[in-house]
Amino acid sequence: AQSVTQLGSHVSVSEGALVLLRCNYSSSVPPYLFWYVQYPNQGLQLLLKYTTGATLVKGINGFEAEFKKSETSFHLTKPSAHMSDAAEYFCAVIPDGQGGSEKLVFGKGTKLTVNP
Amino acid sequence: GAVVSQHPSRVICKSGTSVKIECRSLDFQATTMFWYRQFPKQSLMLMATSNEGSKATYEQGVEKDKFLINHASLTLSTLTVTSAHPEDSSFYICSAQDRLQIWDEQFFGPGTRLTVL
Repeated sequence: AQSVTQLGSHVSVSEGALVLLRCNYSSSVPPYLFWYVQYPNQGLQLLLKYTTGATLVKGINGFEAEFKKSETSFHLTKPSAHMSDAAEYFCAVIPDGQGGSEKLVFGKGTKLTVNP
Repeated sequence: GAVVSQHPSRVICKSGTSVKIECRSLDFQATTMFWYRQFPKQSLMLMATSNEGSKATYEQGVEKDKFLINHASLTLSTLTVTSAHPEDSSFYICSAQDRLQIWDEQFFGPGTRLTVL
């Protein structure tokens, strides 16, 4: 079965520090990859996605992620954390995106805390 | 644009009763809507895919007679939890795809927290 692994259910950083949220996936075919953010009592908001083309993807709020096929990873980074970045972050995969599948498989999420 | 709403946001019910949750796409038409449930500290698990005018497709292990899905229009899908029990308590989230977009991004609703006493 396809799976998404997010290392670290909780990540804590200081304001202004680098944010690194890790995501690894298992897929036998080229996947589509996504990062979503969920603020308390709100729905998921798409941060960025990779489907094809450039492997470094830039998203909203200064976040970016790089698809590394050899490492089956899609880690999310932001150079400088802001207090407003505190939220839950979900990595998700469409295991066979190019095959026309539309089903998202989610990781368990990583809660990001930003300390002043 | 691309706003999805859910109603109610929270519901508390007694065991054995049925609860209906609505998912609406407010500013676009959605041929496909998805229903997920999220347990505490767990990821979202897809329950079913709902296509307008046809029967929903349920994921393995999801009881279709317990979780009734109706996608009667291009802007509304409903999930009814029938004969709810405490183990059905969860956070239910819907998403909708904009049929006019080239890429079928899913737009998520804010979720409904169901508590069954």
